[in-house]
Amino acid sequence: DTGVSQDPRHKITKRGQNVTFRCDPISEHNRLYWYRQTLGQGPEFLTYFQNEAQLEKSRLLSDRFSAERPKGSFSTLEIQRTEQGDSAMYLCASSPPSGGQETQYFGPGTRLLVL
Amino acid sequence: DAKTTQPNSMESNEEEPVHLPCNHSTISGTDYIHWYRQLPSQGPEYVIHGLTSNVNNRMASLAIAEDRKSSTLILHRATLRDAAVYYCILRPLTDSWGKLQFGAGTQVVVTP
Repeated sequence: DTGVSQDPRHKITKRGQNVTFRCDPISEHNRLYWYRQTLGQGPEFLTYFQNEAQLEKSRLLSDRFSAERPKGSFSTLEIQRTEQGDSAMYLCASSPPSGGQETQYFGPGTRLLVL
Repeated sequence: DAKTTQPNSMESNEEEPVHLPCNHSTISGTDYIHWYRQLPSQGPEYVIHGLTSNVNNRMASLAIAEDRKSSTLILHRATLRDAAVYYCILRPLTDSWGKLQFGAGTQVVVTP
């Protein structure tokens, strides 16, 4: 399977714990995106990388959230001191380098439940 | 940012066409109209996009109004696999690689 992969698929944690999610984009896709989706809503943008550079961050990405893409390949999203409001599906997407209006290819998501 | 308005839900019988409307009255001249769909328990997937002319691909057709203030996604023969949430999204030409701004979308229910 050469699609976007995310790990883990599900995570249950207690309030106050730190969690880290991983996203592996499609090979040779230089752009990588993180979104968050709560029940009944469409995905909300969190942050975006072009290669290893983080180009845009949403104000939804509070100080407790940090994302990295150290070698321009896989990316990690860490949430520190989790809160119940962080419970959501975290989606990763990637897109190829090209001339514009590029499709974003989404992974299956990581579902986080904070107890 | 330009916004889109879609009905919350639509129902269709299997093998019948489905017409999903999207209003985008504040669209700018360089905004592309994109459609994505999200099947249950999956991430969104691209369906189709266009600027001014109607577009067809193997998944669907996109009909764009002459004034571009609305568009319609057409699924020609709905199958049970087409049951999903469909999102209509505007993407500025000047931000082609940037974020997708999803609304709540239209939940399509397909009955056998």
